[in-house]
Amino acid sequence: GAVVSQHPSWVICKSGTSVKIECRSLDFQATTMFWYRQFPKQSLMLMATSNEGSKATYEQGVEKDKFLINHASLTLSTLTVTSAHPEDSSFYICSARVGTGKETQYFGPGTRLLVL
Amino acid sequence: GESVGLHLPTLSVQEGDNSIINCAYSNSASDYFIWYKQESGKGPQFIIDIRSNMDKRQGQRVTVLLNKTVKHLSLQIAATQPGDSAVYFCAESSYGNNRLAFGKGNQVVVIP
Repeated sequence: GAVVSQHPSWVICKSGTSVKIECRSLDFQATTMFWYRQFPKQSLMLMATSNEGSKATYEQGVEKDKFLINHASLTLSTLTVTSAHPEDSSFYICSARVGTGKETQYFGPGTRLLVL
Repeated sequence: GESVGLHLPTLSVQEGDNSIINCAYSNSASDYFIWYKQESGKGPQFIIDIRSNMDKRQGQRVTVLLNKTVKHLSLQIAATQPGDSAVYFCAESSYGNNRLAFGKGNQVVVIP
C-alpha cells in the first residue's frame, strides 16, 4: 500500500514554456501532499505543502507565481512550472501523507525536468 | 542551480558486513524520525520510523537507534547486500507539524 505515482518521469522543454507534473496517490486518499526539489548530490528541499481544496503553503523563497500548485482531489496534486528557464532544471519529487494523524510521507518516483 | 564539487559522506562496506549510518539533528522538539533510502534517479523509499518515546526499533534487517540526549539517530543494516547501495536520508518532524526536515544524506556503497 501507500503507492504514489508521478507523471511524467522526465521532460525536456524549451525555455519559456510551462510544464505540468502530476502526483497521484494510487491506493489511498491524501489530504496533504508535498512538493520537493532536489539538485544532484543534495538533500530534498521542500517547496510547498498542498492541501486538498485549499491554497498551497509555500516555503520561504519559493515563488508562488512560478510554481503553481493545484490539489483538486484527494488523490491528485499538480505542480506547474511556468515560463521555465534552465535554472529550473531539477528533480521534482512529490510525497503524500497517509491519514491525518501520521507524519509518514510516501514519495513518488520523481520527475526529471531539463529546460533547454 | 547545481552545486559543483559537492560530496556526500560515503560509507563503503563489504557485502555481508553490517552498516551503520549516523544522523545528527538539532531540533529538540522533534518527536518523530524516519529513515529513507534513495536509489539513483528514484524517489525516496520509506525504510523505518521511530517516535521519541522509544530508543530502538527493529525492522527486517534494519534497526534504528535514537539518542535524544545527544540528538543522534542511527540506522543499522545487517548483512548488507548490493541492493542496499543508495543514499540514505534521515528526516524529522514534530507533533502537529506537517513538514519533514531532511538531513544531508549518506551514500552507502556495497562492495561485492
